[in-house]
Amino acid sequence: AQKITQTQPGMFVQEKEAVTLDCTYDTSDPSYGLFWYKQPSSGEMIFLIYQGSYDQQNATEGRYSLNFQKARKSANLVISASQLGDSAMYFCAMRANQGGSEKLVFGKGTKLTVNP
Amino acid sequence: DAGVIQSPRHEVTEMGQEVTLRCKPISGHNSLFWYRQTMMRGLELLIYFNNNVPIDDSGMPEDRFSAKMPNASFSTLKIQPSEPRDSAVYFCASSLSSNQPQHFGDGTRLSIL
Repeated sequence: AQKITQTQPGMFVQEKEAVTLDCTYDTSDPSYGLFWYKQPSSGEMIFLIYQGSYDQQNATEGRYSLNFQKARKSANLVISASQLGDSAMYFCAMRANQGGSEKLVFGKGTKLTVNP
Repeated sequence: DAGVIQSPRHEVTEMGQEVTLRCKPISGHNSLFWYRQTMMRGLELLIYFNNNVPIDDSGMPEDRFSAKMPNASFSTLKIQPSEPRDSAVYFCASSLSSNQPQHFGDGTRLSIL
């Protein structure tokens, strides 16, 4: 079965510093995708970054980068130069084919707090 | 560009009543997803459609829940009869195809009294 594990319920970081949010996954499907979403206190879900299982390079989007280590089955999100507006819940998700269904499985999330 | 539009944003109703949640996906997106988010269970996929056809409804909790997608620009999630344990935030999301990033609506916060 597909599974996403986020082991950090909460993380704190000082403004302008970098922070890494952990995500490990489990799947037997050789083709899969990994996603990170941000959910601020206002409640909306915002797509941040995507990594495909066959992508040779780590994905980057502005201040977000994904540290993809396939052998370790990890897909950690790195946020550089943290800003106060980065305070939010962050969800890691995996898309994998499960019985013909290509659905996303989400982790429990990590609450990030950026301190001034 | 308009994102995924959900209505209503908030719904408060008494148990036993019928609840209908609505979603308009992003134009051109072929896949549509309904999720439920609670503190206890996190984000759960309820059902998803490809090209208006339900593909996976294994997450639908029970027969009280039903979802339809009569055309490419509209979907509904209906709960009848509603129960207090259905209280949650319900999200609709759409994507170009099922393996592309999903874009979420702002959600419907549902409270069943």
